Amino acid sequence: DAGITQSPRHKVTETGTPVTLRCHQTENHRYMYWYRQDPGHGLRLIHYSYGVKDTDKGEVSDGYSVSRSKTEDFLLTLESATSSQTSVYFCAIRRTGEVYNEQFFGPGTRLTVL
Amino acid sequence: KNEVEQSPQNLTAQEGEFITINCSYSVGISALHWLQQHPGGGIVSLFMLSSGKKKHGRLIATINIQEKHSSLHITASHPRDSAVYICAGGGGSQGNLIFGKGTKLSVKP
Repeated sequence: DAGITQSPRHKVTETGTPVTLRCHQTENHRYMYWYRQDPGHGLRLIHYSYGVKDTDKGEVSDGYSVSRSKTEDFLLTLESATSSQTSVYFCAIRRTGEVYNEQFFGPGTRLTVL
Repeated sequence: KNEVEQSPQNLTAQEGEFITINCSYSVGISALHWLQQHPGGGIVSLFMLSSGKKKHGRLIATINIQEKHSSLHITASHPRDSAVYICAGGGGSQGNLIFGKGTKLSVKP
């Protein structure tokens, strides 16, 4: 358990509304990631952060923005949700050091856009 | 382009059977991760390896760097092993992972 929580855990929203998902960690890890998981695609990277205010795009970043104003929180925002963004979203942290690149995942957020 | 390919996509086994899941990866991936996801559940890291073999209980992960291939073995399989097993390749300074599409394992009693 790497002390990662996600909120909300489930959300149903309508097309065109803004949505913000929160990832919170308790261990001060520098690297944080947002993924989406869809049938037939596996996990795909949306955005990641390598420090406070330092973020970069991943493979499927269109329609998403992120912010990291403090080490423990990484926010994912859908400015105007679309049905194609219905998915399960996972946040992850990376522990650096002896076991480099090993990532630990939050419990996930199931988002449905109607 | 870095890629990770898993096989089989789906696997059904009887309790007690020895199970093997395969993962092939492309150039540029320096470490291989195996993850487990139970139905409706979160994702748990099982192994991270860059050479040789690792063992944890009934799970064994091997990697052949020359052939760019890794396998996950489960000995004496049990219905509670039913899950999706995901391999992911890691490399690069930002630690980003490239994921396979997963292998759905169902172990029947």
